[in-house]
Amino acid sequence: EVLLVESGGGSVQPGGSLRLSCAASGFTFSDRFMDWVRQAPGKGLEWVGRIRDKTYSYTTEYAASVKGRFTISRDDSDNSLYLQMNSLKTEDTAVYYCAGAKTGNYHGYFDYWGQGTLVTVSS
Amino acid sequence: DIQLTQSPSFLSASVGDRVTITCRASQGISSHLGWYQQKPGKAPKVLIYVASTLESGVPSRFSGSGSGTEFTLTISSLQPEDFATYYCQQRNSYPLTFGGGTRVEI
Repeated sequence: EVLLVESGGGSVQPGGSLRLSCAASGFTFSDRFMDWVRQAPGKGLEWVGRIRDKTYSYTTEYAASVKGRFTISRDDSDNSLYLQMNSLKTEDTAVYYCAGAKTGNYHGYFDYWGQGTLVTVSS
Repeated sequence: DIQLTQSPSFLSASVGDRVTITCRASQGISSHLGWYQQKPGKAPKVLIYVASTLESGVPSRFSGSGSGTEFTLTISSLQPEDFATYYCQQRNSYPLTFGGGTRVEI
């Protein structure tokens, strides 16, 4: 059974930092591009960023709204994905999903999702 | 960035209805489009990718079509479990983007 379990969410003041983790199991984590997608309360889905696999040198992509503030990393030895969030803003308040991209030519689509972790940025 | 505009944003339907949702891209994206279903409090689930390829395990009443800038998701006969919000998503270029969503309700 595929499992993605996020942790690390919580409440933080504007300007603060938070690190989210995602523990993966049930599939070959190291073969997958991994992404973070967020959803503000009552709103739609917003892609946050991606980290590619070792074949692609673990390169990353980010949405403009988080570039320079958020950093995605991974530890294939531990089947873990991370999202370091710095300089948090109130508009970063959302449920953050860890998502596994499909393999091969279909890596732009997400077939594995975690249950999400809520991040609230408020003073 | 590629903008995806879904219509309608809200749809009221009955069990057994044929439902069509449209997604328009701000520029051509070939067939690089997927569709997701999300139920309240749950993570999204992929239904369709590459515009028309049905994800394994997804019922055949779901179908997708289109290319370029206009795409559709069709549910041939709406079932009770299909009441949810549907999102399109493009993978043609970064940043990956989602449409605003279509909420399907009774």
